[in-house]
Order: sequence, then C-alpha cells, then structure tokens
Amino acid sequence: GENVEQHPSTLSVQEGDSAVIKCTYSDSASNYFPWYKQELGKGPQLIIDIRSNVGEKKDQRIAVTLNKTAKHFSLHITETQPEDSAVYFCAASIGRGGSYIPTFGRGTSLIVHP
Amino acid sequence: GAGVSQTPSNKVTEKGKYVELRCDPISGHTALYWYRQSLGQGPEFLIYFQGTGAADDSGLPNDRFFAVRPEGSVSTLKIQRTERGDSAVYLCASSPQTGTGYTGELFFGEGSRLTVL
Repeated sequence: GENVEQHPSTLSVQEGDSAVIKCTYSDSASNYFPWYKQELGKGPQLIIDIRSNVGEKKDQRIAVTLNKTAKHFSLHITETQPEDSAVYFCAASIGRGGSYIPTFGRGTSLIVHP
Repeated sequence: GAGVSQTPSNKVTEKGKYVELRCDPISGHTALYWYRQSLGQGPEFLIYFQGTGAADDSGLPNDRFFAVRPEGSVSTLKIQRTERGDSAVYLCASSPQTGTGYTGELFFGEGSRLTVL
C-alpha cells in the first residue's frame, strides 16, 4: 500500500518567516495530495490540495508544489502568523471509481513565535 | 451548518470491555470514513463506507473491530474485548459526492478519545 513520509516532525519559526514542510510518497498511482491542519482537540481540516495534473497551486499565503517524477510534494507557508501554529498533515490518495482513501504522513508540529 | 458529530467525546473503559463509538456525518454526505490517531501520529485508515456498504475495510486491525452504517447515515464503530493498545482518538470523516464522483476532501469530526485501562 501507499506509504507517506513527512519532514520535519517539528518546525519552529519566527512570526513573518516562511515555513516549508516536505512529504514523499511511494505509490506512483497516487493522484490526489491534500494538506490538513489540525488544532489541539479538533479534527483535521483541509487547507489546500493538489492533483497530479498540476505542478503548483497557491492560495493566499499557502502554496503546494508537486514533483511526480521524484514522488514528493511540499507545503509552503509565507508570512507566518501565530495562528498558523498547529499540526500539519500531508496525505496521498488514489482516486478510484471517483472515491479517495487518503494515507496520511505522521504530521509536522509548526510553532510560530510572536 | 452542522459538521460531523462524534459521541462520546471521551470514553474510559477497562480492558476486555465492549465499546461503541458513534458518528453523525454531514447531512447528504454519502462517503464515511473511520480513522484512528495515536499520540504524535497521523490518522490511520480503518474503514470506508459508500452509502450503507463497507467499500473498503482493509484498515481494520483485527476481528475485534467492526463498523456498521445501516441506513447510509449514522455509523457505529464497535470494538470487542478492548485492549490497552486500542487507546487512541477515533476520527470519523464524511465526504460529499459530486456529479463526477468525490472531490477527495474529508470533513472530520473532533474525534472520540478512547482510553483502555
């Protein structure tokens, strides 16, 4: 099955700095790559996603890049703010019959210091 | 609108007991997922429903775990003869179906924290 590796496990930055989280996946058939943000005591919430026919996608301060050849994808957060502090999970999934079952990475705890 | 609702939010039980965890998905969402999240880990897939049927139960760790969704809405995860290793947060998620299938986005509940003493 799919295996997703995520690095780093912890990332500490100063407010206003950029943060980058990297993931690799094993199954070349994966074609959908979502990123979720989880705050303490809450369930994960989708913040951005990318599909295999696109190399980059941006939404305000966050962007994702995908390199299908190398089987890795990254999350970039610019101008970080204290409210960005949370655990971030990458995931990879194969769309089959219109449905998806994402495999998640182990998470990155992002701490933004004011 | 209402999100995914999970009950109980916390459950403490003794080793060997039976436990049921309930999930109320977002109204109209046909896909429903159960994941398990241990401390410091990412969500681990357990089972996926499309409508009433389990389309994929390959993540259930053993036959002590079972899930149902009899009317295609509410789902119950059932754990028999609980073990200390079952302690985790059990997350439920639902997903809407579009004209071409599913978007892939999962809407998660806040989870049920299970502690087995």
